[in-house]
Amino acid sequence: AQSVTQLDSQVPVFEEAPVELRCNYSSSVSVYLFWYVQYPNQGLQLLLKYLSGSTLVKGINGFEAEFNKSQTSFHLRKPSVHIRDTAEYFCAVSVYGGSQGNLIFGKGTKLSVKP
Amino acid sequence: NAGVMQNPRHLVRRRGQEARLRCSPMKGHSHVYWYRQLPEEGLKFMVYLQKENIIDESGMPKERFSAEFPKEGPSILRIQQVVRGDSAAYFCASSLVGRQETQYFGPGTRLLVL
Repeated sequence: AQSVTQLDSQVPVFEEAPVELRCNYSSSVSVYLFWYVQYPNQGLQLLLKYLSGSTLVKGINGFEAEFNKSQTSFHLRKPSVHIRDTAEYFCAVSVYGGSQGNLIFGKGTKLSVKP
Repeated sequence: NAGVMQNPRHLVRRRGQEARLRCSPMKGHSHVYWYRQLPEEGLKFMVYLQKENIIDESGMPKERFSAEFPKEGPSILRIQQVVRGDSAAYFCASSLVGRQETQYFGPGTRLLVL
């Protein structure tokens, strides 16, 4: 079975500061990795995904993530955050080549950007 | 280029009533997934459907919950005899055939059971 751990439930940060949101996963098989963002009372928007190839993945809104297979991590980073980045961020995995199709989510990290 | 549509966006039911949640996938998508988000929790997979076929319902509660995706019309998640613990946000996602790993989410239906 697969599981996802987001180590920080809340991350407060000042505007224009760098931020890293941590994600570790557990799986006995290869997985795809995702980060989604959820703004208040809205659905989830795909930020970026790792399917294969380069371990450094760039997404929308200036975010990037790095897949580290040996540490089973997929941390999300942004060098300079804006107030509008305040939202909840979810890390997710799905089984590589699996037919099940379901995403397994972490519990989320609430990013709060202060002026 | 409409995205995934869900309605209603908010639904209030009294205990014992039925709740019907609808999801129209993105144009060209024939796979639909339902997830539930409880307060302070991440999303939990419930069911995965193709047209007229349930592929995986391993996350669906055994009683009171059912889902369908008919040949015509939206996918429907049905909850019979709702209880307060059913209060949650229910999200639908869709994907292309053969691209189950990339799912696009709707805005969700927030169900409140009084």
